[in-house]
Amino acid sequence: QSALTQPASVSGSPGQSITISCTGTSSDVGGYNYVSWYQQHPGKAPKLMIYDVSNRPSGVSNRFSGSKSGNTASLTISGLQAEDEADYYCSSYTSSSTLAHVVFGGGTKLTVL
Amino acid sequence: QVQLVQSGAEVKKPGASVKVSCKASGYTFTSYDINWVRQATGQGLEWMGWMNPNSGNTGYAQKFQGRVTMTRNTSISTAYMELSSLRSEDTAVYYCARGLNPLRLDVWGKGTTVTVSS
Repeated sequence: QSALTQPASVSGSPGQSITISCTGTSSDVGGYNYVSWYQQHPGKAPKLMIYDVSNRPSGVSNRFSGSKSGNTASLTISGLQAEDEADYYCSSYTSSSTLAHVVFGGGTKLTVL
Repeated sequence: QVQLVQSGAEVKKPGASVKVSCKASGYTFTSYDINWVRQATGQGLEWMGWMNPNSGNTGYAQKFQGRVTMTRNTSISTAYMELSSLRSEDTAVYYCARGLNPLRLDVWGKGTTVTVSS
């Protein structure tokens, strides 16, 4: 069981918008503005899409945006494209002494219909 | 271009150790931390720890404390992750990734498959 909770799957049609949630606690997501999102295509390494809750690295499309409310962070992808079909993982800093400094969500499989 | 090149696949027996290398190029090796993240087949990502190549300081996830050692050789811009007392549950793809901090891993290696089997 992962420290952060994500839906197992989401889907959307090309051009639509989807949102992936990432729920934690006040010891991780809710307590710090250190949430990242990664995209991973099958057989490939993860790619950083969002860091510090809502910042995009250079080269990442502005169709990707991040936000946070309380203990839940969200990744929104607008104008869905076929190439967005992938697994998405959230990550957060945690102050929990029994866990790592960094925890990941279990991942969400995005299907573009 | 900026890249991290990892060593090849390994097959180990239970109880053995494995050492994976990660060679950096295209940037100043000592300017970014190297993190290690693993992924079992069909499973999610699991952060193992970080190392500062400049100081050699490390920080490990509690789960791996006592079994993992992260080191570097700055003369060849290479980081290493050694995992000991291997068990079948350690079978996974191991990634190195650079970052200004563990929550901002912007360049990843392609991964090294480690299989633990008797």
